[in-house]
Amino acid sequence: GAVVSQHPSRVICKSGTSVKIECRSLDFQATTMFWYRQFPKQSLMLMATSNEGSKATYEQGVEKDKFLINHASLTLSTLTVTSAHPEDSSFYICSATLGISYEQYFGPGTRLTVT
Amino acid sequence: SQQGEEDPQALSIQEGENATMNCSYKTSINNLQWYRQNSGRGLVHLILIRSNEREKHSGRLRVTLDTSKKSSSLLITASRAADTASYFCATDQTGANNLFFGTGTRLTVIP
Repeated sequence: GAVVSQHPSRVICKSGTSVKIECRSLDFQATTMFWYRQFPKQSLMLMATSNEGSKATYEQGVEKDKFLINHASLTLSTLTVTSAHPEDSSFYICSATLGISYEQYFGPGTRLTVT
Repeated sequence: SQQGEEDPQALSIQEGENATMNCSYKTSINNLQWYRQNSGRGLVHLILIRSNEREKHSGRLRVTLDTSKKSSSLLITASRAADTASYFCATDQTGANNLFFGTGTRLTVIP
């Protein structure tokens, strides 16, 4: 099956700094990538939809200036958490679709801890 | 909310027993998917059932879909300790490109 990787898998940063998370589709070209966040013991919440070459579409309540998403190529999307605060600590998961397929392929997730 | 709801929120069973989880949703869907998530890990796709299907099997998994009731169930037969995880349903809703996830069921299988 298709493989999606995320880097880093874990990151600890200080409050006020920025953190970049990469999401890569390793063996297919992903027209669309999604970014989710998950608080402990809760369901996934969609943050934004990222289409290659265009601006990301953010869900209501997600600050686009704080969570910068770039989808520069068909195999790479990045999420940058700017001026991170402890409340941004969460598990961030990306997924990618082949476009016409209904199935999304999920990355392994990135655990962000802001101290 | 467009999210689905799952019940029970938590389920604890003995190894060898069957586990049943239910998912309800609110809008028209193209398909419904079930995912598994081990603690702190990414999601693993288990099974997809399309809106015109009523039942689907994959190994020890059995999924049903009732579009009139807007509900689905996931049955895991002959459970194993390794089945311990959180299980989420996700709906591919008509007109939307992203998935909407349910609240999840935490399954614990006791050896």
